[in-house]
Amino acid sequence: SQQGEEDPQALSIQEGENATMNCSYKTSINNLQWYRQNSGRGLVHLILIRSNEREKHSGRLRVTLDTSKKSSSLLITASRAADTASYFCATESNSGYSTLTFGKGTMLLVSP
Amino acid sequence: EPEVTQTPSHQVTQMGQEVILRCVPISNHLYFYWYRQILGQKVEFLVSFYNNEISEKSEIFDDQFSVERPDGSNFTLKIRSTKLEDSAMYFCASIRELNTEAFFGQGTRLTVV
Repeated sequence: SQQGEEDPQALSIQEGENATMNCSYKTSINNLQWYRQNSGRGLVHLILIRSNEREKHSGRLRVTLDTSKKSSSLLITASRAADTASYFCATESNSGYSTLTFGKGTMLLVSP
Repeated sequence: EPEVTQTPSHQVTQMGQEVILRCVPISNHLYFYWYRQILGQKVEFLVSFYNNEISEKSEIFDDQFSVERPDGSNFTLKIRSTKLEDSAMYFCASIRELNTEAFFGQGTRLTVV
């Protein structure tokens, strides 16, 4: 798999349900960041988790990081139709100038 | 809340023409980046810029591309002779310091015809 690869590629749920997206990566990282992108629009930063952190919360978002498995998950609780978007993980390697490597993303559809 | 701004939001250009994409990073940020996203594909790194010089660049960033910070606020990406395959959404990003969150602009959609 490629650096920062998400699964599933697409996820369809009902409002109120939880959505879980996973991300795997290959190299050592400084941090892992999750972004949201509405169709054809810009990238909105959601949350950053550093390599020495295991879990982080922000509102309805919960992110975990397992550096031994080189994987992360993003959980959106009590989803809303407005959460419909593509979600990307991006890894910052521990060499260089904070360049981000993005995955292909998970398209989340939340139906009312 | 401070934000990264990009202009124009959409640019159509003829193949072979030069284009300049403009970005105003967040004012107290020190590291600047350009990324691109071809339709339906993932976001790809192009170049990073720090202390008035390129710090890192990808294979995509060939001699047709250049970046400049002409004054204290603007950060530009120039494509000298556009090709059809340069059609993409181009994103500018900035960070205050290493290992912190990157803020992205809304992007410039470049269409080369």
